Amino acid sequence: EIVMTQSPATLSVSPGERATLSCRASQSVSSNLAWYQQKPGQGPRLLIYGAFTRATGIPARFSGSGSGTEFTLTISSLQSEDFAVYYCQQYNKWPSYTFGQGTKLEIK
Amino acid sequence: EVQLVQSGAEVKKPGESLKISCKGSGYSFNAYWIGWVRQVPGKGLEWMGMIYPADSDTRYSPSFQGQVTISADKSLSTAYLQWSGLKASDTAMYYCARGNFYGSGSYFLDPWGQGTLVTVSS
Repeated sequence: EIVMTQSPATLSVSPGERATLSCRASQSVSSNLAWYQQKPGQGPRLLIYGAFTRATGIPARFSGSGSGTEFTLTISSLQSEDFAVYYCQQYNKWPSYTFGQGTKLEIK
Repeated sequence: EVQLVQSGAEVKKPGESLKISCKGSGYSFNAYWIGWVRQVPGKGLEWMGMIYPADSDTRYSPSFQGQVTISADKSLSTAYLQWSGLKASDTAMYYCARGNFYGSGSYFLDPWGQGTLVTVSS
């Protein structure tokens, strides 16, 4: 099983600042990497797929990068609605897709 | 609008059976895989498996193989997740999501259903 490790577990950032979230895979997943946002009491929402392609309706302040085993989600200027939990997921190893444990983005 | 609507919350006793549902609308249901994801309260997301409604081809995560059954009724545009003998450890929120083709064997999930909370307690 491919293990996805996200860091940090919790990130405290002030509104308007940049946030950088990391995700590492235990083996290469090529660019088969997605990022999801989950707010309390809601289901996850797709932000990024293919490591760097924004999903429909996702603001340009969200960007993804990386390939192979190292990936990054960057939020360029945090808005109040961005404080949530973020998960990465690899969908390279069919059918054992795996998620990272999540990064909680909180207001500093 | 593409939408997945899941059945309501359930409270069951250990050993009971259960089948929860996920109804798709706004797209060709048969043409997309449907995946299921578990989230234990306060914890992260766990991939369970996927089904292709057109022919009921089903793939399970090794962690959930034999523990649950995924099925679909294409005439109703509905996918199902079922248990034959629930355990307290099955208490969780369960999400369905549409699988979108990205490459051979590669599907990202979008959109997601609202989730079904399953509580198993004596």
